[in-house]
Amino acid sequence: EVQLVESGGGLVKPEGSLRLSCAGSGFIFRNAWMSWVRQAPGKGLAWVGRIKSKTDGGTTDYAAPVKGRFTISRDDSKNTLFLQMHSLKTEDTAVYYCATHDSGVLTLWGAMDVWGQGTTVTVSS
Amino acid sequence: DVQVTQSPSTLSASVGDIVTITCRTSQSIITYLNWYHHKPGKAPELLIYGASSLQSGVPSRFSGSGSGTDFTLTISSLQPEDVATYYCQQSYSTPWTFGQGTKVEIK
Repeated sequence: EVQLVESGGGLVKPEGSLRLSCAGSGFIFRNAWMSWVRQAPGKGLAWVGRIKSKTDGGTTDYAAPVKGRFTISRDDSKNTLFLQMHSLKTEDTAVYYCATHDSGVLTLWGAMDVWGQGTTVTVSS
Repeated sequence: DVQVTQSPSTLSASVGDIVTITCRTSQSIITYLNWYHHKPGKAPELLIYGASSLQSGVPSRFSGSGSGTDFTLTISSLQPEDVATYYCQQSYSTPWTFGQGTKVEIK
């Protein structure tokens, strides 16, 4: 079974840091492009960023609100995706999902068909 | 960045009704448009990719159409289990962007 499990969420003070993890199983993790998507309370889905597979360059892209503060990385030996968050703001409070594409076709279309259950980050003093 | 405008923001319809949700983008994205639904407490689920391709396992009452800047998701016969918030997502260029969402309710 293809599965993603996020961890690392919690309560953090403004200007603090937090690292989220996402463990993948049931698919060839090293070949997968991985994304982070978040949903703030009462708001819609918002794409945070993406990392390509190392085969495809391993490059990252980010949404404007997090660029320069968040870093996406991966450890393919441990089938794990990371989201390092610095200089956190109250508006970063959200459920954070990791997501991927379970086929080359879906990768081509940028369509995310495998999602974790999410981990909650609360930024508050 | 590509802006995505989704409408309506909420929709109330009866079981069996045809439901239509639209997304408009600020520039042509060809057919790089995906649709998801999201139920409270659950992970989002992919419904349509590439504007019109039905994701495996998704009921055939869901369909997508459009190209360029205008796209539509249609539910041909609304069912109680379709109550959810629906999102379109453009994947033509990064940053990928989602529409604001359409909350679908049963009348």
